[in-house]
Amino acid sequence: AAGVIQSPRHLIKEKRETATLKCYPIPRHDTVYWYQQGPGQDPQFLISFYEKMQSDKGSIPDRFSAQQFSDYHSELNMSSLELGDSALYFCASSPNRGGAWETQYFGPGTRLLVL
Amino acid sequence: KQEVTQIPAALSVPEGENLVLNCSFTDSAIYNLQWFRQDPGKGLTSLLLIQSSQREQTSGRLNASLDKSSGRSTLYIAASQPGDSATYLCAVMDSGYALNFGKGTSLLVTP
Repeated sequence: AAGVIQSPRHLIKEKRETATLKCYPIPRHDTVYWYQQGPGQDPQFLISFYEKMQSDKGSIPDRFSAQQFSDYHSELNMSSLELGDSALYFCASSPNRGGAWETQYFGPGTRLLVL
Repeated sequence: KQEVTQIPAALSVPEGENLVLNCSFTDSAIYNLQWFRQDPGKGLTSLLLIQSSQREQTSGRLNASLDKSSGRSTLYIAASQPGDSATYLCAVMDSGYALNFGKGTSLLVTP
């Protein structure tokens, strides 16, 4: 079965650089979620999209932006990177606008290291 | 803000034992509660999802219960195996459909 695809899997950046993370949801899933998991921490919700519109916003820094495209893939853009941005970034997708009856299916994550 | 707590933080058991992982949450107005498994450096695998109107869900050797009024859930793993070694995360979904995670229980099952 198709799963959530994230690219790149690993990324090394310098401070103050920019990074773009990509997420390709499971086919026919219309909702995408982004989470950040710092070292030894639990995943923290950043932002979500339904049908290409932002549906919810969590603890996403102003330096970050995201969007969902017409093919439902999503990109997380991170600017002015800081050391504290080093983390594992997960994308998850769900069908039918997500909600109480739908599991969120997680991708393998992108590990970002900021030097 | 929803706070999710998992106890214990770490657990080591010999193979074959039955074990219970605990999760508590502060706001009972949830849509659902989910249990995930995370292997080191890997993504999250959904194990069980319990709707707010349900009391329990079962999948193979796993059984999860939910007591929404008291803000508690337990994950019961029967006849544990070394392959069960992983971190188990509890997450609750409330308004906005985002998941609020606990910090997880790191489980080690020794042969």
